[in-house]
Amino acid sequence: AQKVTQAQTEISVVEKEDVTLDCVYETRDTTYYLFWYKQPPSGELVFLIRRNSFDEQNEISGRYSWNFQKSTSSFNFTITASQVVDSAVYFCALSEADYGQNFVFGPGTRLSVLP
Amino acid sequence: DAGITQSPRYKITETGRQVTLMCHQTWSHSYMFWYRQDLGHGLRLIYYSAAADITDKGEVPDGYVVSRSKTENFPLTLESATRSQTSVYFCASSESMGSYTGELFFGEGSRLTVL
Repeated sequence: AQKVTQAQTEISVVEKEDVTLDCVYETRDTTYYLFWYKQPPSGELVFLIRRNSFDEQNEISGRYSWNFQKSTSSFNFTITASQVVDSAVYFCALSEADYGQNFVFGPGTRLSVLP
Repeated sequence: DAGITQSPRYKITETGRQVTLMCHQTWSHSYMFWYRQDLGHGLRLIYYSAAADITDKGEVPDGYVVSRSKTENFPLTLESATRSQTSVYFCASSESMGSYTGELFFGEGSRLTVL
């Protein structure tokens, strides 16, 4: 069965530090999608990135970067030079393409960036 | 404006009452979802729908009923509310076709309190 693990429940860093949020997934499917979402204190869920299982290229978007490694079933998220506005709960999610778009979310990592 | 909207945003009800949470999207996305978010459990899927008149259970469907007579609407009904259903409910939609899975677009959430 599909499963997403985010072992870090809470992380605190000081502004300008780099921080990596871990995501490990389990799936029986060969075609699947991985996602990251941000939930700031205001409560909305903001889409950050989607990656399919056939694309292992790492991606960088400004201060955000993602490292996808199928060999270790991981899809880690790094924030470079963190800012207070990055404080949020971050969710990693998995969807197996052959199983009815059943998105499964990890428990989330609460990131606090201190000034 | 285009998007996905939920109503009501806040609701207080009593045990045993029926409650319906509304969800409306303007993108004509085929898939729609209902999640609940509780501390310690992250986001859990209640029901999802692949198209009008097609619905399926998620991880925690007990006590909930859904319908989807029109593509754009996906109401969630609690037929007899219980205190354990106090939660924040998120509706989402995605554009998915075949093995292609688009990202989830979330509504702002509906905070339900059952007394």
